[in-house]
Amino acid sequence: DAGVIQSPRHEVTEMGQEVTLRCKLISGHNSLFWYRQTMMRGLELLIYFNNNVPIDDSGMPEDRFSAKMPNASFSTLKIQPSEPRDSAVYFCASSAGGGQQPQHFGDGTRLSIL
Amino acid sequence: DAKTTQPPSMDCAEGRAANLPCNHSTISGNEYVYWYRQIHSQGPQYIIHGLKNNETNEMASLIITEDRKSSTLILPHATLRDTAVYYCIVRRDGYQLTFGKGTKLSVIP
Repeated sequence: DAGVIQSPRHEVTEMGQEVTLRCKLISGHNSLFWYRQTMMRGLELLIYFNNNVPIDDSGMPEDRFSAKMPNASFSTLKIQPSEPRDSAVYFCASSAGGGQQPQHFGDGTRLSIL
Repeated sequence: DAKTTQPPSMDCAEGRAANLPCNHSTISGNEYVYWYRQIHSQGPQYIIHGLKNNETNEMASLIITEDRKSSTLILPHATLRDTAVYYCIVRRDGYQLTFGKGTKLSVIP
Protein backbone atom coordinates (compact mmCIF):
# COMPACT_ATOMS: atom_id res chain seq x y z
CA ASP A 1 0.00 0.00 0.00
CA ALA A 2 1.25 3.48 -0.82
CA GLY A 3 2.05 5.59 2.20
CA VAL A 4 2.03 9.35 2.52
CA ILE A 5 4.01 10.79 -0.38
CA GLN A 6 5.87 14.07 -0.05
CA SER A 7 7.69 16.07 -2.68
CA PRO A 8 10.29 17.29 -3.15
CA ARG A 9 12.52 15.28 -0.79
CA HIS A 10 15.09 18.05 -0.74
CA GLU A 11 14.81 21.74 -1.55
CA VAL A 12 17.55 24.33 -1.49
CA THR A 13 16.66 27.90 -2.35
CA GLU A 14 17.66 31.45 -1.61
CA MET A 15 15.92 33.59 0.95
CA GLY A 16 13.02 35.57 -0.40
CA GLN A 17 11.96 32.87 -2.82
CA GLU A 18 8.60 31.13 -2.65
CA VAL A 19 8.69 27.50 -1.54
CA THR A 20 5.90 24.98 -2.10
CA LEU A 21 5.89 21.61 -0.38
CA ARG A 22 3.47 18.91 -1.52
CA CYS A 23 1.79 16.00 0.18
CA LYS A 24 -0.43 13.15 -1.04
CA LEU A 25 -2.53 11.50 1.67
CA ILE A 26 -3.02 7.77 2.06
CA SER A 27 -6.12 6.75 0.12
CA GLY A 28 -9.20 6.85 2.34
CA HIS A 29 -7.66 9.08 4.99
CA ASN A 30 -9.47 12.31 5.76
CA SER A 31 -7.20 14.01 8.30
CA LEU A 32 -4.01 15.80 7.30
CA PHE A 33 -1.22 17.19 9.47
CA TRP A 34 1.83 19.31 8.66
CA TYR A 35 4.78 19.15 11.09
CA ARG A 36 8.18 20.81 11.19
CA GLN A 37 11.27 19.25 12.80
CA THR A 38 14.41 21.08 13.90
CA MET A 39 17.21 20.14 16.27
CA MET A 40 16.30 22.98 18.61
CA ARG A 41 12.53 22.57 18.79
CA GLY A 42 11.97 18.92 17.85
CA LEU A 43 8.76 17.98 16.03
CA GLU A 44 6.08 20.68 16.03
CA LEU A 45 2.54 20.53 14.65
CA LEU A 46 1.93 23.39 12.23
CA ILE A 47 -1.63 22.79 11.03
CA TYR A 48 -4.35 20.13 11.07
CA PHE A 49 -7.09 19.59 8.47
CA ASN A 50 -10.13 17.38 8.78
CA ASN A 51 -12.23 16.69 5.68
CA ASN A 52 -10.33 19.42 3.80
CA VAL A 53 -11.16 22.05 6.45
CA PRO A 54 -8.40 23.64 8.56
CA ILE A 55 -9.23 22.87 12.19
CA ASP A 56 -6.16 24.13 14.03
CA ASP A 57 -3.52 26.40 12.51
CA SER A 58 -2.18 27.72 15.80
CA GLY A 59 1.23 26.22 15.08
CA MET A 60 1.75 28.10 11.83
CA PRO A 61 4.68 30.43 12.58
CA GLU A 62 3.46 33.56 10.81
CA ASP A 63 1.62 34.87 7.79
CA ARG A 64 4.42 33.83 5.48
CA PHE A 65 3.19 30.26 5.90
CA SER A 66 -0.01 29.02 4.29
CA ALA A 67 -1.47 25.55 3.77
CA LYS A 68 -4.26 24.34 1.53
CA MET A 69 -6.12 21.19 0.61
CA PRO A 70 -7.38 21.70 -2.94
CA ASN A 71 -8.90 18.22 -2.83
CA ALA A 72 -9.35 15.35 -0.42
CA SER A 73 -6.10 13.63 -1.28
CA PHE A 74 -3.60 16.44 -1.71
CA SER A 75 -2.17 19.32 0.30
CA THR A 76 0.40 22.07 -0.15
CA LEU A 77 2.40 24.07 2.36
CA LYS A 78 3.69 27.34 0.98
CA ILE A 79 6.28 29.72 2.42
CA GLN A 80 6.48 33.17 0.86
CA PRO A 81 8.89 34.82 1.27
CA SER A 82 11.22 32.20 2.70
CA GLU A 83 13.85 33.01 5.35
CA PRO A 84 16.93 31.08 6.58
CA ARG A 85 15.17 30.32 9.90
CA ASP A 86 12.59 28.31 7.96
CA SER A 87 15.25 25.68 7.26
CA ALA A 88 13.97 22.41 8.71
CA VAL A 89 12.51 19.05 7.77
CA TYR A 90 8.79 19.34 7.03
CA PHE A 91 6.63 16.27 7.49
CA CYS A 92 3.11 15.57 6.36
CA ALA A 93 0.99 12.92 8.08
CA SER A 94 -2.49 11.56 7.47
CA SER A 95 -4.97 9.52 9.47
CA ALA A 96 -8.32 7.85 8.91
CA GLY A 97 -10.35 10.32 10.92
CA GLY A 98 -10.06 11.53 14.47
CA GLY A 99 -10.27 9.75 17.77
CA GLN A 100 -7.49 7.26 18.32
CA GLN A 101 -6.60 6.57 14.69
CA PRO A 102 -2.80 6.68 14.36
CA GLN A 103 -1.10 9.26 12.17
CA HIS A 104 1.08 7.94 9.35
CA PHE A 105 3.98 10.13 8.26
CA GLY A 106 5.71 10.73 4.97
CA ASP A 107 9.49 10.82 4.69
CA GLY A 108 9.59 14.60 4.78
CA THR A 109 11.04 17.46 2.77
CA ARG A 110 14.44 18.71 3.88
CA LEU A 111 14.34 22.47 3.25
CA SER A 112 17.41 24.67 3.26
CA ILE A 113 17.05 28.43 2.80
CA LEU A 114 20.35 30.13 2.02
CA ASP B 1 -1.74 15.36 27.73
CA ALA B 2 0.29 13.50 30.37
CA LYS B 3 4.06 13.90 30.38
CA THR B 4 6.24 10.88 29.61
CA THR B 5 9.75 9.98 30.78
CA GLN B 6 12.06 7.74 28.76
CA PRO B 7 15.74 6.87 29.11
CA PRO B 8 17.79 8.87 26.60
CA SER B 9 19.56 5.84 25.16
CA MET B 10 19.72 2.03 25.24
CA ASP B 11 21.73 -0.71 23.59
CA CYS B 12 20.44 -4.13 22.55
CA ALA B 13 22.25 -7.10 21.01
CA GLU B 14 21.02 -8.15 17.60
CA GLY B 15 18.54 -11.02 17.84
CA ARG B 16 17.67 -10.31 21.46
CA ALA B 17 14.49 -8.70 22.74
CA ALA B 18 14.57 -4.92 23.14
CA ASN B 19 12.52 -3.68 26.09
CA LEU B 20 11.94 0.07 26.04
CA PRO B 21 10.41 1.56 29.19
CA CYS B 22 8.22 4.63 29.55
CA ASN B 23 6.88 6.31 32.66
CA HIS B 24 3.59 8.22 32.47
CA SER B 25 2.58 8.55 36.12
CA THR B 26 0.10 11.40 35.50
CA ILE B 27 -1.86 9.56 32.80
CA SER B 28 -5.64 10.06 32.86
CA GLY B 29 -8.25 7.36 32.41
CA ASN B 30 -9.08 8.35 28.83
CA GLU B 31 -5.50 8.76 27.61
CA TYR B 32 -3.91 6.22 25.28
CA VAL B 33 -0.24 5.25 25.09
CA TYR B 34 1.28 5.47 21.62
CA TRP B 35 4.69 4.40 20.38
CA TYR B 36 6.39 5.78 17.30
CA ARG B 37 9.95 5.46 16.07
CA GLN B 38 12.08 7.56 13.76
CA ILE B 39 14.85 6.02 11.77
CA HIS B 40 17.49 8.47 10.58
CA SER B 41 16.33 10.59 7.64
CA GLN B 42 12.83 9.11 7.66
CA GLY B 43 9.48 10.24 9.00
CA PRO B 44 8.13 8.97 12.33
CA GLN B 45 6.69 5.48 11.99
CA TYR B 46 3.66 4.36 13.98
CA ILE B 47 4.33 1.16 15.94
CA ILE B 48 1.47 0.41 18.33
CA HIS B 49 -0.96 1.96 20.81
CA GLY B 50 -3.13 0.85 23.71
CA LEU B 51 -5.35 2.00 26.56
CA LYS B 52 -5.01 -0.54 29.36
CA ASN B 53 -4.78 -4.00 27.87
CA ASN B 54 -1.56 -5.40 26.48
CA GLU B 55 -1.38 -5.16 22.72
CA THR B 56 0.60 -7.04 20.07
CA ASN B 57 1.01 -6.55 16.35
CA GLU B 58 3.47 -7.65 13.70
CA MET B 59 6.04 -5.11 14.84
CA ALA B 60 5.97 -5.15 18.62
CA SER B 61 4.17 -5.79 21.90
CA LEU B 62 2.99 -3.13 24.33
CA ILE B 63 2.78 -4.00 28.01
CA ILE B 64 0.91 -1.49 30.19
CA THR B 65 1.03 -1.88 33.98
CA GLU B 66 -2.22 -2.37 35.84
CA ASP B 67 -2.08 1.13 37.35
CA ARG B 68 -1.24 2.47 33.84
CA LYS B 69 1.59 4.59 35.20
CA SER B 70 4.19 2.94 33.02
CA SER B 71 4.52 0.82 29.92
CA THR B 72 7.12 -1.18 28.01
CA LEU B 73 7.52 -1.57 24.27
CA ILE B 74 8.98 -4.94 23.35
CA LEU B 75 10.69 -5.67 20.02
CA PRO B 76 10.96 -9.47 20.27
CA HIS B 77 13.98 -10.04 18.02
CA ALA B 78 15.82 -6.79 17.39
CA THR B 79 17.62 -6.32 14.08
CA LEU B 80 20.06 -3.65 12.95
CA ARG B 81 17.16 -1.99 11.11
CA ASP B 82 15.46 -1.37 14.45
CA THR B 83 18.13 1.19 15.37
CA ALA B 84 16.09 4.38 15.77
CA VAL B 85 14.73 6.93 18.23
CA TYR B 86 11.63 5.54 19.94
CA TYR B 87 8.94 7.91 21.22
CA CYS B 88 6.36 7.12 23.88
CA ILE B 89 3.39 9.51 23.65
CA VAL B 90 0.33 9.78 25.84
CA ARG B 91 -2.69 11.17 24.03
CA ARG B 92 -6.36 11.65 24.84
CA ASP B 93 -9.07 11.90 22.21
CA GLY B 94 -8.10 14.33 19.53
CA TYR B 95 -5.28 14.88 17.15
CA GLN B 96 -2.37 16.25 19.15
CA LEU B 97 0.79 14.14 19.13
CA THR B 98 3.48 15.69 21.31
CA PHE B 99 6.89 14.16 20.64
CA GLY B 100 9.46 14.38 23.43
CA LYS B 101 13.14 13.45 23.14
CA GLY B 102 12.53 9.70 23.07
CA THR B 103 14.98 6.83 23.56
CA LYS B 104 17.78 6.28 21.08
CA LEU B 105 17.98 2.51 20.64
CA SER B 106 21.21 1.14 19.17
CA VAL B 107 21.10 -2.49 18.05
CA ILE B 108 24.59 -3.94 18.25
CA PRO B 109 25.77 -6.73 15.90
